[in-house]
Amino acid sequence: GIQVEQSPPDLILQEGANSTLRCNFSDSVNNLQWFHQNPWGQLINLFYIPSGTKQNGRLSATTVATERYSLLYISSSQTTDSGVYFCAVYSGAGSYQLTFGKGTKLSVIP
Amino acid sequence: SAVISQKPSRDICQRGTSLTIQCQVDSQVTMMFWYRQQPGQSLTLIATANQGSEATYESGFVIDKFPISRPNLTFSTLTVSNMSPEDSSIYLCSVERGVGFTEAFFGQGTRLTVV
Repeated sequence: GIQVEQSPPDLILQEGANSTLRCNFSDSVNNLQWFHQNPWGQLINLFYIPSGTKQNGRLSATTVATERYSLLYISSSQTTDSGVYFCAVYSGAGSYQLTFGKGTKLSVIP
Repeated sequence: SAVISQKPSRDICQRGTSLTIQCQVDSQVTMMFWYRQQPGQSLTLIATANQGSEATYESGFVIDKFPISRPNLTFSTLTVSNMSPEDSSIYLCSVERGVGFTEAFFGQGTRLTVV
């Protein structure tokens, strides 16, 4: 099946710093999503981004499907950005199963 | 978006018992999905639940351990049976919106601890 790799696995930032999270996938995909899992375990939808670039406030994402990667940018980080960021893809061929990466654990310190 | 209500949000259970998790969606959906997230790990799909048919289980998950009901197009339950400490995880239900490969939304999760 499709492989999804995220980097870095862990990231510690000072409040106000910027960061880039990366998601590589091993095969062509029909969809790609970024999620933020808060400390209570809830998964929050950040972006649905099979291709192109989107922005939402301090967050933006870019997917280059032909090169099989996606990037999530966090600018001016805040302590509330802490948590785990997951990238997930559908592999296609009639599969509705989302395959998740292992996540990037972000800690923003004051 | 989708409004998904999942309950309980957390529970502590004795080994050997069973827990049923409920998932209610604000509108009709064809498929509902159940995921498990073991401590410190990523999410793994347990099964896909279609209304009117048996759930489809992924490799490593069996119906006797994780029976699923799907009585209508807005509701599903997942039961974790004969629990052991290894079942301690977050369990999440999910739905998709639209046609084809579209955006997935998740319930708030059920944090299960088995003692």
